[in-house]
Formats: sequence, structure tokens, C-alpha cells
Amino acid sequence: GQQLNQSPQSMFIQEGEDVSMNCTSSSIFNTWLWYKQDPGEGPVLLIALYKAGELTSNGRLTAQFGITRKDSFLNISASIPSDVGIYFCAGQLINAGNMLTFGGGTRLMVKP
Amino acid sequence: NAGVMQNPRHLVRRRGQEARLRCSPMKGHSHVYWYRQLPEEGLKFMVYLQKENIIDESGMPKERFSAEFPKEGPSILRIQQVVRGDSAAYFCASSPSGGAYGYTFGSGTRLTVV
Repeated sequence: GQQLNQSPQSMFIQEGEDVSMNCTSSSIFNTWLWYKQDPGEGPVLLIALYKAGELTSNGRLTAQFGITRKDSFLNISASIPSDVGIYFCAGQLINAGNMLTFGGGTRLMVKP
Repeated sequence: NAGVMQNPRHLVRRRGQEARLRCSPMKGHSHVYWYRQLPEEGLKFMVYLQKENIIDESGMPKERFSAEFPKEGPSILRIQQVVRGDSAAYFCASSPSGGAYGYTFGSGTRLTVV
């Protein structure tokens, strides 16, 4: 079953607003990744987090690896129409090899 | 510097036929992963391969599904005797080594079983 709980499932916001989404789990992860998926395409990596407590930015995106290793958030500042898409968190569980476990996704819609 | 290449992008098969999905990893990547995505869901791990070896197939259905990554050529995900429930997007990813660093996905193959 699903080991990553991602919320919210969807967001409909006005252009220019900030966005926040998060993933939580009862399991411990040694890596957190955030991806964006456009319709008909594969996931594209936005930010990778490798250390507990790590805070990393990529342009208007900021993500943090929770100190307990069980959660992560992604913030998007000053949203623009091209931010529309589905955002997924993914993580590598400790002692689970190289597979990634994905959250259920957050569908972001931006109103111009 | 091409990314992960998957083909075909779209595949339609009748129930009972075989589906073959191909994945060429990024140059320099020797680790390949296959994932399946149902509509409105996240990706689910299926199998992890290195050249000529299956490392982890814990996500593969026990029957009808198989994967290989030969010494030469692309990785192949093979689904025999397809059923309607196999309809999904299948994504391949590759990485230069074990771990999450450099994990890159292809654009996927969308399989439709009619």
C-alpha cells in the first residue's frame, strides 16, 4: 500500500500566490525527491534532498528534508501559469535498495 | 546527450497479445528501473536491473511480466497475454550508480489494452 501520504491532493490558486505541499510517512527515508509531471510526460526532477534537515532551493522552489526523516515539504513562491502540473514526492526508504516510493501527487492549477 | 529513451510512446494491444516496451538508459548509466503509473496515481516500482542482472523484482507481478537488460541493447519489459488491467503508463528510469543521485525518467510508454 501507499507509504507516502501527500497533501493536498489538488490546489487551485491565483497566479502570484505561494504554494505549499508536503509528504509524510511512518517510515524513515534516506533521500527525498520532488518531481513535476506534465500531461503525457515522465516525471522531471525538481529538487533532491539527501540529509535530514537539509533546506534546498531551485529558483522559486524550496524544499526541506524533515529532521525526523519522515517528512518533506515543497514550496513554490509567486506561482505562474507554467507551474501547472502534478507534483510528486518520492523517497528512498532506508534498507529498501534503490527503488523509489512515490506519493499520490498534488495537482496544481493556476488561474491567470 | 540524449535522456532516457522509451519506445513506443503509445502501444495498443488486444487482450491476449504480448506487449514489449523498450528503454535505452542515458549514456553512462548502467542501472535501469521500471515503474507503472495508473491514472490519477503515483508511480509504483516494478523492477531494478543492471546489465544482464535483475537486482530487485519485488514490484513485478508474479505471472506474465518479465524484464531484461542484456549486455547489448535496450532494457525490455515484456507483458504476455495482456489483460485490460495492464493498461497504464510504464516509465523507465536510469541512474549512473545505485542510489537516488542522477535518477532520470523517460517519457513513458502508454499501453492500452482493448
